[in-house]
Amino acid sequence: DAGITQSPRHKVTETGTPVTLRCHQTENHRYMYWYRQDPGHGLRLIHYSYGVKDTDKGEVSDGYSVSRSKTEDFLLTLESATSSQTSVYFCAISTQGFHGYTFGSGTRLTVV
Amino acid sequence: KNEVEQSPQNLTAQEGEFITINCSYSVGISALHWLQQHPGGGIVSLFMLSSGKKKHGRLIATINIQEKHSSLHITASHPRDSAVYICAVLSYNTDKLIFGTGTRLQVFP
Repeated sequence: DAGITQSPRHKVTETGTPVTLRCHQTENHRYMYWYRQDPGHGLRLIHYSYGVKDTDKGEVSDGYSVSRSKTEDFLLTLESATSSQTSVYFCAISTQGFHGYTFGSGTRLTVV
Repeated sequence: KNEVEQSPQNLTAQEGEFITINCSYSVGISALHWLQQHPGGGIVSLFMLSSGKKKHGRLIATINIQEKHSSLHITASHPRDSAVYICAVLSYNTDKLIFGTGTRLQVFP
């Protein structure tokens, strides 16, 4: 693959618990993104980062926070998971903003 | 109404058939992407285009900026082409990607 890995690949968690998803890249790309994918919806941007400690909100950021303390890692945290956050989460990386990027394999999160 | 509409939503074909998937959008764009997602798998970028036509193997992508429309063609389709194909546009105003909901293609031997 293109040097981007997501962990875990699958997770089941209970409502109200905190959850952190990790995206790790070995490409030294500046931009990193978190998307969620739900039936009937296109991929939707949660948060993105344009550098270490530089992050911004996407269209569905409520209930999520992110951190990027190193170029290679972008963490997505659900402070208190809810059933509406059951989804497949994709991380993506790019060197050119939204002009060209590579996706990770996804994390399937189920909140029960 | 979604800003990016794909048609059809589902498509079945026999091996060898010529496939066309359409994408229409209602916003001004800087670029358009076609992506492929296999069942249970990740998402792969197929094309990024802002004008004209691009070809890669059996895949051809075209875009008509004036008509706000793009098509993805697959020639001589094969069962391994079975996947969800996703259109995404880079909005000129927001500089963010807007995704279509995808077209699920199944190619039978």
